[in-house]
Amino acid sequence: DAKTTQPPSMDCAEGRAANLPCNHSTISGNEYVYWYRQIHSQGPQYIIHGLKNNETNEMASLIITEDRKSSTLILPHATLRDTAVYYCIVRVPHSGGSNYKLTFGKGTLLTVNP
Amino acid sequence: DSGVTQTPKHLITATGQRVTLRCSPRSGDLSVYWYQQSLDQGLQFLIQYYNGEERAKGNILERFSAQQFPDLHSELNLSSLELGDSALYFCASSVFSGAQETQYFGPGTRLLVL
Repeated sequence: DAKTTQPPSMDCAEGRAANLPCNHSTISGNEYVYWYRQIHSQGPQYIIHGLKNNETNEMASLIITEDRKSSTLILPHATLRDTAVYYCIVRVPHSGGSNYKLTFGKGTLLTVNP
Repeated sequence: DSGVTQTPKHLITATGQRVTLRCSPRSGDLSVYWYQQSLDQGLQFLIQYYNGEERAKGNILERFSAQQFPDLHSELNLSSLELGDSALYFCASSVFSGAQETQYFGPGTRLLVL
């Protein structure tokens, strides 16, 4: 799986959009970008994933650059409960029974301030 | 609530002892992953089971073992415990959508070895 680079920490004001960047310059053509978050000592929570098109769900939006070497997770209206470590993970698609472990880096600690 | 349950939530034991951690996956999920999260190592993949069979191993110590039962719940056995085994242990179960697999994590078991 391709390695990712994320800033160690970011701050965001409550109610504002939080934009979390991720660099994955060595990503392969069939690798997906996944985002998870972990609120203090809780289990990681799936947020969103995408291949090359921008994706949106009820939690967030994922913007992937055209060359796919970087992406941005957008939380449109951050709340205090969004304070967490956010992990950007790149992994190959499933192809029948192989190991698809998630390789977590250090992530970005997002602190949402009142 | 991810639908993945883990018991116990907390476990305090002494060095040299043996403990068993239990995980119940989401209904219908065949795959179970175990991860360890310690302060200095971050989230690390230990082992994966798929429909009762071991599918992949990560950095799992020989003192650790796991199994998945016919009802798909899984147990992680940790023996000859050492102080350094103190950590959060998470399991995750996964669902497939086409070529994509999304893992959903349980709340974890916090193990403290004294």
